[in-house]
Amino acid sequence: AQSVAQPEDQVNVAEGNPLTVKCTYSVSGNPYLFWYVQYPNRGLQFLLKYITGDNLVKGSYGFEAEFNKSQTSFHLKKPSALVSDSALYFCAVNTGTASKLTFGTGTRLQVTL
Amino acid sequence: KAGVTQTPRYLIKTRGQQVTLSCSPISGHRSVSWYQQTPGQGLQFLFEYFSETQRNKGNFPGRFSGRQFSNSRSEMNVSTLELGDSALYLCASSHLARSYEQYFGPGTRLTVT
Repeated sequence: AQSVAQPEDQVNVAEGNPLTVKCTYSVSGNPYLFWYVQYPNRGLQFLLKYITGDNLVKGSYGFEAEFNKSQTSFHLKKPSALVSDSALYFCAVNTGTASKLTFGTGTRLQVTL
Repeated sequence: KAGVTQTPRYLIKTRGQQVTLSCSPISGHRSVSWYQQTPGQGLQFLFEYFSETQRNKGNFPGRFSGRQFSNSRSEMNVSTLELGDSALYLCASSHLARSYEQYFGPGTRLTVT
């Protein structure tokens, strides 16, 4: 069985400061890892993915994530947060053999001026 | 390329009724997955269809069903609605060759009263 943990319900950061949203995973086999963002009353927007290769993955809107196999983590990062980054962020995993994604519980990012 | 479309966007039903939601995938995508999002349970996988066949199923009661048509459009049906079925229902499509990379629609907000 596969699972994802997002230990923080909410992350608060000031605009211009770096942000990190944490994610750890458990999966049998090689993980395919994803970050999605959800704005109010909207579906999920794809941010970035890790399939294989470089552990540092760059995605949309200046976000990046670092895959750490030994710590089974895939934390989302951004060097300088914007107020417009405020949203709900989901980490997800599958094994690449099927479309089924297992999601974390989500982390609400609040960026303030 | 047009994204994933879902209709209707909002729906209000009464307990005991049934409902049908529709999803049109991105052109060329043959896999369609459905997810339920609720505040209490988060994002949960319902089922996946590929080439008109259910390929994967989540842990939901038989009241939840779906189908896919030859043009890859998909519908999901919920019979005998319960209050707990109130949720945002998200559809995602993916290409055969990259089935792990899913693109989500805006969702259908179902309210059961």
